[in-house]
Amino acid sequence: TQLLEQSPQFLSIQEGENLTVYCNSSSVFSSLQWYRQEPGEGPVLLVTVVTGGEVKKLKRLTFQFGDARKDSSLHITAAQPGDTGLYLCAGEQETSGSRLTFGEGTQLTVNP
Amino acid sequence: ETGVTQTPRHLVMGMTNKKSLKCEQHLGHNAMYWYKQSAKKPLELMFVYNFKEQTENNSVPSRFSPECPNSSHLFLHLHTLQPEDSALYLCASSHPVGGAGTYEQYFGPGTRLTVT
Repeated sequence: TQLLEQSPQFLSIQEGENLTVYCNSSSVFSSLQWYRQEPGEGPVLLVTVVTGGEVKKLKRLTFQFGDARKDSSLHITAAQPGDTGLYLCAGEQETSGSRLTFGEGTQLTVNP
Repeated sequence: ETGVTQTPRHLVMGMTNKKSLKCEQHLGHNAMYWYKQSAKKPLELMFVYNFKEQTENNSVPSRFSPECPNSSHLFLHLHTLQPEDSALYLCASSHPVGGAGTYEQYFGPGTRLTVT
């Protein structure tokens, strides 16, 4: 059983559309991180959320941590081809020390 | 040079070969990691080192042997691998951030390994 479930697994949209990616779990996390990975590269950290209900914005990207700290969402407004990539959520639990648990990822393709 | 670097970027090896992957971080972090990324699977944590000491071995077969000579360098020694070991091997480093001590990870570009 995957600890962190991401949905959808694949998403193909047109430039200018909005989208939301979800990261869900039955476990509580002390923090949750979002990464973006482009082909041939390692994941790059986008944001970390640590407080239940927290909302963070990064230009056209909005990240939210659920009130119970079991889930998170990433919303992209007016998607651009440069947003194409694999989006990964990763959770840290209080007992896990420096260890993160990663979701399977959402592969986003934004077509021009 | 900054960030996390990995060499080689691509490696093709036979099942009887011995090779090593190298990772170097210039971020002053105390924790370093090896991950395996296969198609259609989540990132799999292999090993964790904190202050040069191995703190986690995630049931990795002995044909993968890590080495951490200092906090800036991490190696993964490979021998008698199987074709199913073909994957992208990612190195990462991290340090605790903020009052909560969250570990934000910084990844290298990976080594694309093909075992023939």
